[in-house]
Amino acid sequence: GQNIDQPTEMTATEGAIVQINCTYQTSGFNGLFWYQQHAGEAPTFLSYNVLDGLEEKGRFSSFLSRSKGYSYLLLKELQMKDSASYLCAVLYNQGGKLIFGQGTELSVKP
Amino acid sequence: EPEVTQTPSHQVTQMGQEVILRCVPISNHLYFYWYRQILGQKVEFLVSFYNNEISEKSEIFDDQFSVERPDGSNFTLKIRSTKLEDSAMYFCASSETSGGPFYYGYTFGSGTRLTVV
Repeated sequence: GQNIDQPTEMTATEGAIVQINCTYQTSGFNGLFWYQQHAGEAPTFLSYNVLDGLEEKGRFSSFLSRSKGYSYLLLKELQMKDSASYLCAVLYNQGGKLIFGQGTELSVKP
Repeated sequence: EPEVTQTPSHQVTQMGQEVILRCVPISNHLYFYWYRQILGQKVEFLVSFYNNEISEKSEIFDDQFSVERPDGSNFTLKIRSTKLEDSAMYFCASSETSGGPFYYGYTFGSGTRLTVV
């Protein structure tokens, strides 16, 4: 199957940096998304990686290694409002279907 | 910023009834999707739609489900004879393309919370 693995929960302190890892099966890989989801709401787009390397966007960065089937989302200068679930989703093949991980529930504490 | 619009935001229906969930994708997008998320579980792909036909569907998307683009703007998901286990959040999404080297606007709607009683 096309399993996407990410930690279930993480806790970090306001102002700190946190890294959320995601591993996936590489066969058929065609791109990787990170989404933020607050409870009861829709996933909102954070980043998209299709080539190896780091993509930076303000306080959020995402890294991809296609050969290792590995990505991470880096959140800097954490704020309380960053408490949410972070979803790793992989695009397999050409049809646009996203396979999601279970999500990482991040709690930011004062 | 362009949005994917879904209606209704909440729907309660009796088991065995039919429901239609509605979506208005972003106007220049060509690919449309439905996903669902059962409470506390991960987001699951249901179906993708392109050029007025289904391009891919998951095992979940059985004969109970159907999709339609009845006009140039709406994209609907019909669930016939609803079951208790169909209770979930249903998300519509749309995108400009089905992939590519740059972000192509893969956007989710705010969802319809379906409760089957």
